[in-house]
Amino acid sequence: AQSVTQPDIHITVSEGASLELRCNYSYGATPYLFWYVQSPGQGLQLLLKYFSGDTLVQGIKGFEAEFKRSQSSFNLRKPSVHWSDAAEYFCAVEDTGRRALTFGSGTRLQVQP
Amino acid sequence: GAVVSQHPSRVICKSGTSVKIECRSLDFQATTMFWYRQFPKQSLMLMATSNEGSKATYEQGVEKDKFLINHASLTLSTLTVTSAHPEDSSFYICSGGGGEETQYFGPGTRLLVL
Repeated sequence: AQSVTQPDIHITVSEGASLELRCNYSYGATPYLFWYVQSPGQGLQLLLKYFSGDTLVQGIKGFEAEFKRSQSSFNLRKPSVHWSDAAEYFCAVEDTGRRALTFGSGTRLQVQP
Repeated sequence: GAVVSQHPSRVICKSGTSVKIECRSLDFQATTMFWYRQFPKQSLMLMATSNEGSKATYEQGVEKDKFLINHASLTLSTLTVTSAHPEDSSFYICSGGGGEETQYFGPGTRLLVL
């Protein structure tokens, strides 16, 4: 069965600093990978996705992620964090047979002024 | 992107009562929808797959008689929590789509059972 690991439960960065959130996955075939953001009490917003092709994918709000098959990773990056980026971030892998998502445990991002 | 709505957004009920949560795809048809549950400060866990016109498939450990799912049309799936108890209090989120179509998530329903 597939799984997703987000090693960092909580990360604090200063506004304007760069950000990298880690995600490792376990899946038998070529994965469909996603990053979602969830603000307090809100639903999930899709930041970006990887299905195939270019391993560096661009998303909304200035986020990007790089798929590295050799490392089974799909880390999320942003060059300059804004205070409004404070939220919970979830990495997910899709079971392409069932189309359901398996989520990582999430990383809570706090942004210091 | 596509829009998925959920109703109600928040519900408080007494222990032993049943609660119905609706999930609608507003601008696309979804033969399959998914129901997830999220406990406070935890990740989303898949509960069941809702299939239009057929029975839902439940994940291991999810009681199908407690969490009734009906997917009567291509735009509506409902989750009924029967005889709710305080331990059922959670954030319930539905989604539709998938594959290279991308899944779209509803805003969630917060259930509090007293």
